[in-house]
Amino acid sequence: QTVVTQEPSFSVSPGGTVTLTCGLSSGSVSTHYYPTWYQQTPGQAPRTLIYSTNTRSSGVPDRFSGSILGNKAALTITGAQSDDESDYYCVLYMGRDVLFGGGTKLTVL
Amino acid sequence: QLVQSGSELKKPGASVKVSCKASGYTFTRHAMTWVRQAPGQGLEWMGWINTNTGNPTYAQGFTGRFVFSLDTSVSTAYLQINTLEVEDTAVYYCARVPEALLSWLDPWGQGTLVTVSS
Repeated sequence: QTVVTQEPSFSVSPGGTVTLTCGLSSGSVSTHYYPTWYQQTPGQAPRTLIYSTNTRSSGVPDRFSGSILGNKAALTITGAQSDDESDYYCVLYMGRDVLFGGGTKLTVL
Repeated sequence: QLVQSGSELKKPGASVKVSCKASGYTFTRHAMTWVRQAPGQGLEWMGWINTNTGNPTYAQGFTGRFVFSLDTSVSTAYLQINTLEVEDTAVYYCARVPEALLSWLDPWGQGTLVTVSS
């Protein structure tokens, strides 16, 4: 069974840049999987950051960007702020199914 | 906007029905998905329902006891879970599919906590 892989945790300093990745247990992630990124803070519903690889959702600051890096999808946060401390989920469109990654817990310190 | 029904506490073997009322757009123009989040765990896609035809599609692991339904007259989607198990304890989210891309979900409901305990 295919699994979407994400780093379990990551840390970044305030003002720093971090890149979170999203891979597949078998194969490469491409734009054909329309990678989507969600941010979730504790007790809140997820919020869409990026869809279709690199399109920012309405109201999302431009310090969040999406791309394909090598064989993975990537979410880059430039100039990290304290309120970026959240869980980040990658989602891939697999045709008839949708697969969520296990999420990355980002710490800003 | 999507507004979900409130928290539920149920015993094992019972059923629960969670509602998700949409407003601010034409309900039948966008599919609706359901996502589960067990305590302290990640998000799981449960499947989706075509709000135009009422046809549901269930993800692996969510067939049999899980039922998606609609009442288009009140722009509301429902998730019913039958024969509840303790492992069904989770927050359940509904989310709209803005375009024909099931991985892009926006907006999300606020979530409904379903607790199954004897």
